[in-house]
Amino acid sequence: AQSVAQPEDQVNVAEGNPLTVKCTYSVSGNPYLFWYVQYPNRGLQFLLKYITGDNLVKGSYGFEAEFNKSQTSFHLKKPSALVSDSALYFCAVRPAGVDSSYKLIFGSGTRLLVRP
Amino acid sequence: KAGVTQTPRYLIKTRGQQVTLSCSPISGHRSVSWYQQTPGQGLQFLFEYFSETQRNKGNFPGRFSGRQFSNSRSEMNVSTLELGDSALYLCASSHPGGEQFFGPGTRLTVL
Repeated sequence: AQSVAQPEDQVNVAEGNPLTVKCTYSVSGNPYLFWYVQYPNRGLQFLLKYITGDNLVKGSYGFEAEFNKSQTSFHLKKPSALVSDSALYFCAVRPAGVDSSYKLIFGSGTRLLVRP
Repeated sequence: KAGVTQTPRYLIKTRGQQVTLSCSPISGHRSVSWYQQTPGQGLQFLFEYFSETQRNKGNFPGRFSGRQFSNSRSEMNVSTLELGDSALYLCASSHPGGEQFFGPGTRLTVL
């Protein structure tokens, strides 16, 4: 079965420190990979995507993600966290080659808490 | 460009009633997807429409249905509401590059 795992329910980091939010996936073929962020009472905001090419992808608000095919991982990173980064982060996969659908499979989400 | 809009933002219904939610995609986007978000089940795919045709469907009962109009606007309908249908319903329109852009959601409460 196709799935996305975010092993940490919550990640705590001090402002100014680097942060990593982990994501692994189990999908056949070469999927498209995404990160989204959700603030309270809001929809999801697109952060970045990986389709092909360089394994390090840069996105919005200083976030980047590293694709590792052998480990089937797509971890979200930021060199220096801000208090305003505190939110709920979702990793998502769009299986490639199954059909032309835009269906996304989401992980369970990781709450990021950045303390001042 | 205007973003994805969803109406209404909040809705309170009672068990057994039906509800219709509306979504207007970003101009030029032809694909609209719907997701249900609950604390227990997380984000789950409901269905996707492309050029007025349902292209994919998630694992939800037949009480959940949708449609898309020629202007790409979409509606989803839930009939015979149950308490477990209380959720945030998110609509997303898809950029040709693959990423989906989400609306603010409709918060449905079933009493």
